[in-house]
Amino acid sequence: ETGVTQTPRHLVMGMTNKKSLKCEQHLGHNAMYWYKQSAKKPLELMFVYSLEERVENNSVPSRFSPECPNSSHLFLHLHTLQPEDSALYLCASSQVIGEGSETQYFGPGTRLLVL
Amino acid sequence: GQNIDQPTEMTATEGAIVQINCTYQTSGFNGLFWYQQHAGEAPTFLSYNVLDGLEEKGRFSSFLSRSKGYSYLLLKELQMKDSASYLCAVRDGDYKLSFGAGTTVTVRA
Repeated sequence: ETGVTQTPRHLVMGMTNKKSLKCEQHLGHNAMYWYKQSAKKPLELMFVYSLEERVENNSVPSRFSPECPNSSHLFLHLHTLQPEDSALYLCASSQVIGEGSETQYFGPGTRLLVL
Repeated sequence: GQNIDQPTEMTATEGAIVQINCTYQTSGFNGLFWYQQHAGEAPTFLSYNVLDGLEEKGRFSSFLSRSKGYSYLLLKELQMKDSASYLCAVRDGDYKLSFGAGTTVTVRA
């Protein structure tokens, strides 16, 4: 599935660095999501954008800052991260129809290591 | 909060059948999804159930009982490439998916 792409695929950063993760979807969807996947733990929803508006923010620390400039692109800006933020960050997209959302399709993820 | 339970690991032999159970207790219910995730790769969509009953798609089938808060994913004629993690997820509103921790299936020759 190459409908959702993410860059970079791997990232190592220090706690004082600033970096950004990028997600692009080529499926014509109008909703995009950021998830965090830590080892042996369930995927955790971080942010949801629908029609370029943020509709969900799951109590995520402010050191994670999302940006959705258009319906095809989603960014996650990272600043002053902690070692426990090391994880796989997954982007997903779906089509929103009426009040609900259709199936979510995932990108390959960015494997982040914070030193 | 949401509570979605599935076994941590399962092992089966090539050509056999494996059933992965998922039980859930969520504040709402707007569909249940199964995803497959190979190590280091994206989760890929397998199946969707919103009404009670069985949905069949090739070698994979998924069953839902809303009254029991229960689903299973049935994998038939197992192949080595089916070795992966299988994620159960419940949509409890318009957008939000709550995931189980995943079941790692190992297929042995």
